[in-house]
Amino acid sequence: QVQLQQSGAELARPGALVKMSCKASGYTFTSYTMHWVKQRPGQGLEWVGYINPSSGYTHYNQNFKDKATLTADKSSSTAYMQLSSLTSEDSAVYYCARRSVVPMDYWGQGTSVTVSS
Amino acid sequence: DIKMTQSPSSMYASLGERVTITCKASQDIKTYLSWYQQKPWKSPKTLIYYATSLADGVPSRFSGSGSGQDYSLTISSLESDDTATYYCLQHGESPYTFGGGTKLEIK
Repeated sequence: QVQLQQSGAELARPGALVKMSCKASGYTFTSYTMHWVKQRPGQGLEWVGYINPSSGYTHYNQNFKDKATLTADKSSSTAYMQLSSLTSEDSAVYYCARRSVVPMDYWGQGTSVTVSS
Repeated sequence: DIKMTQSPSSMYASLGERVTITCKASQDIKTYLSWYQQKPWKSPKTLIYYATSLADGVPSRFSGSGSGQDYSLTISSLESDDTATYYCLQHGESPYTFGGGTKLEIK
């Protein structure tokens, strides 16, 4: 069965960076793009961008172009998202989600990021 | 960016009632529209994709319709398990954009 297992909660200082992971299992990792979605506390959903794990091609929402960096490790079937120059606006839950024919059919459980001094 | 206007933002409905949630895109999105259900502290779950296709395992009381700019999600007979927040997503043009969400509660 398809599973996306995300890394644990992060507490970071303003200005720091965090790198979170999304380990895929139950399917061929390189056959599907991986998307990332942000959800601020009590707020709606915002699409960050996606990576093609096979080619490494990335595409970002312009709102995240200087904030997020997406990478993937084919050997471990793991996708990563790094967030840099953190501010309180980056405090949120971040989800990875696989895209097949169905846009974002399977989702990870989310990684909570809290930015606080 | 394509703006997705979702309505209502919140609603109460009775068990067994027919419920409809709508999303209006700021331009034609050619049925590149999905619906998701999110329960508190949980990840979103796909309900409908390409406007009308039911995702695997989703009860048949959920259905989607629409074309052009206007789309809707209908629950034919509301059950207690349907209490959740519902989001639409357009994926026809980058950046993908979500509607603001509809919080559905049981009356």
